[in-house]
Amino acid sequence: GQQLNQSPQSMFIQEGEDVSMNCTSSSIFNTWLWYKQDPGEGPVLLIALYKAGELTSNGRLTAQFGITRKDSFLNISASIPSDVGIYFCAGRGGNTPLVFGKGTRLSVIA
Amino acid sequence: EPEVTQTPSHQVTQMGQEVILRCVPISNHLYFYWYRQILGQKVEFLVSFYNNEISEKSEIFDDQFSVERPDGSNFTLKIRSTKLEDSAMYFCASSQDRGWQPQHFGDGTRLSIL
Repeated sequence: GQQLNQSPQSMFIQEGEDVSMNCTSSSIFNTWLWYKQDPGEGPVLLIALYKAGELTSNGRLTAQFGITRKDSFLNISASIPSDVGIYFCAGRGGNTPLVFGKGTRLSVIA
Repeated sequence: EPEVTQTPSHQVTQMGQEVILRCVPISNHLYFYWYRQILGQKVEFLVSFYNNEISEKSEIFDDQFSVERPDGSNFTLKIRSTKLEDSAMYFCASSQDRGWQPQHFGDGTRLSIL
């Protein structure tokens, strides 16, 4: 089946720093999604990407759909304490079900 | 903003018992999904549902699992005879479209099997 590799597994950063995380897939995807999950809650959609090369922003968050269609990254600029959480990439190719990465746990030190 | 709602938030059940997890998807959505997340692990797809039938299911979704849309608003996941390894967070999600619209998740039901 389709596999997603998400890195890094965890990050500890100072408040105000920029953050970057990425996902690579074993096969071509036609949709990339980035979700954030807070403890005890469901994943909340941050950014959706549908075209190779697409670069989309949502406030301080920016994500890109890689031109090879096998990767995507998420950047967070000027991190703040409420950015703490687990960030998941998810993708799908063709009519296959959504596949999730293992997540990046972000900790922000004030 | 419309939300996917799930009940109960926490269910504790004896091994071997049946359990039903309930979801109310966003009202104008047509595609419904169940996912599972074992503690500390990634979210895993279980099943998708459209037009009153299962459209896709994963290897996890075996004969012990079933889904139903008993009325115009609820979407349920039933586990017939629970096992210890069924303990997990179960998330319901819905989307307007199968491929191009993102899926919106509920806050999940934590299922604990004793």
